[in-house]
Amino acid sequence: DIQMTQSPSSLSASVGDTVTITCRAGQTVSRSLHWYQQKPGKAPGLLIYAASTLKSGVPSRFSGSGSGTDFTLTISSLQPEDFATYYCQHSYSGHLFTFGPGTTVDLK
Amino acid sequence: EVQLVQSGPEVKKPGESLRISCKVSGYSFTLYWIAWVRQLPGKGPELMAKIDPSDSDTNYSPAFQGHVTVSSDKSTATAYLHWDSLEASDTAMYYCARLGNYGGNSNAFDIWGQGTMITVSS
Repeated sequence: DIQMTQSPSSLSASVGDTVTITCRAGQTVSRSLHWYQQKPGKAPGLLIYAASTLKSGVPSRFSGSGSGTDFTLTISSLQPEDFATYYCQHSYSGHLFTFGPGTTVDLK
Repeated sequence: EVQLVQSGPEVKKPGESLRISCKVSGYSFTLYWIAWVRQLPGKGPELMAKIDPSDSDTNYSPAFQGHVTVSSDKSTATAYLHWDSLEASDTAMYYCARLGNYGGNSNAFDIWGQGTMITVSS
């Protein structure tokens, strides 16, 4: 399996802040990396696919970058509805699709 | 509207069997793989298995192979996750999710069910 790590595991931020979450794969996953947002008691929701493409309807303050083993999710001008847990997930061919352990963004 | 609607919460005893369901609407059921995902409290999601409803081809994650079975019914556009013998460690939230293909190897879980909570306790 390709192991996924995320950092930090949690962060505290204020409305209007810019936050960056890092995801690292144990080996290259090319650009087969996706980001999800999950709020308490709800299912995860896809935000970004293929490392940097926003799913339709996702606000443009979310952005993704990276390729190979290192990826970032950036949220610019954090809004109250963005306080949640964020997961990365790879879909590299021939390997079990795995998720990262998550990064929780909470209110400072 | 594309929807995956899951069956309701279950409370079962160890050793009992269980089947939970995921009913699809709003798109052609046979066009996309359906995955089952487990989430333990405070943990990241884990892919358990996926099924291609067009031909019932399945892939199981090694950690779940032999412990669960996935199936689907084209006539009702429903996917299923089945346990023959539950264990206390199966207590978790279970989601079904549609596996969208966004080109190349970019297969992302783009539509999710609301989740089914399974509690296994004696």
